[in-house]
Amino acid sequence: DIVMTQSPDSLAVSLGERATINCKSSQSVLYSSNNKSYLAWYQQKPGQPPKLLINWASTRESGVPDRFSGSGSGSDFTLTISSLQTEDVAAYHCQQYYTTSPTFGQGTKVEIK
Amino acid sequence: EVQLVESGGGLVQPGGSLRLSCAASGFTFSNYWMHWVRQAPGKGLVWVSRISSDGSSTNYADSVKGRFTISRDNAETTLYLQMNSLRAEDTAMYYCARAKNGYTLWGQGTLVTVSS
Repeated sequence: DIVMTQSPDSLAVSLGERATINCKSSQSVLYSSNNKSYLAWYQQKPGQPPKLLINWASTRESGVPDRFSGSGSGSDFTLTISSLQTEDVAAYHCQQYYTTSPTFGQGTKVEIK
Repeated sequence: EVQLVESGGGLVQPGGSLRLSCAASGFTFSNYWMHWVRQAPGKGLVWVSRISSDGSSTNYADSVKGRFTISRDNAETTLYLQMNSLRAEDTAMYYCARAKNGYTLWGQGTLVTVSS
């Protein structure tokens, strides 16, 4: 299985400041035939199921605020919240859907400093 | 309304069985692969199983292979997870999820607790 490793495990950011979460896969999730990385990011608020924010490493789902952006390719990816808002307090999970056995990172908790 | 609603969770003794259901509505269920994902209390997300849109292909995590069976009824727009020989480590919230380049729709989850 592909192992997904997120860093940091948690971070505290001031309101309006930038939050950056990293995700590394143990092997590339880039499919050469279409040049797409099979990487998604989810937001999970306490007591709620996850919500898809970004797929294909950088494509925002409809309705997701543009302060959320994804970048990276191959094995190294980043989720950036450009200006942290109160409602962004949550856990964030990366996931590869490149293989028949999708795997998730361990999650990163984002809090307000 | 587009939604997934899980049911069937509960408290079960080690070695016991449960069948989870996930009722889909508001979209063409038969067009989508469907997955089960679980999350132990305070832990991360773990993929459990998936099934093709027509039910002909299935895959399982090694941790549940041979004990869990995924199935679906497209006429009833319902996904199932039959869980046998349950262990304490199967204790988790179980989510069903619609798959299309990531999980585009999740249910609210059903809690399974395996304990004597």
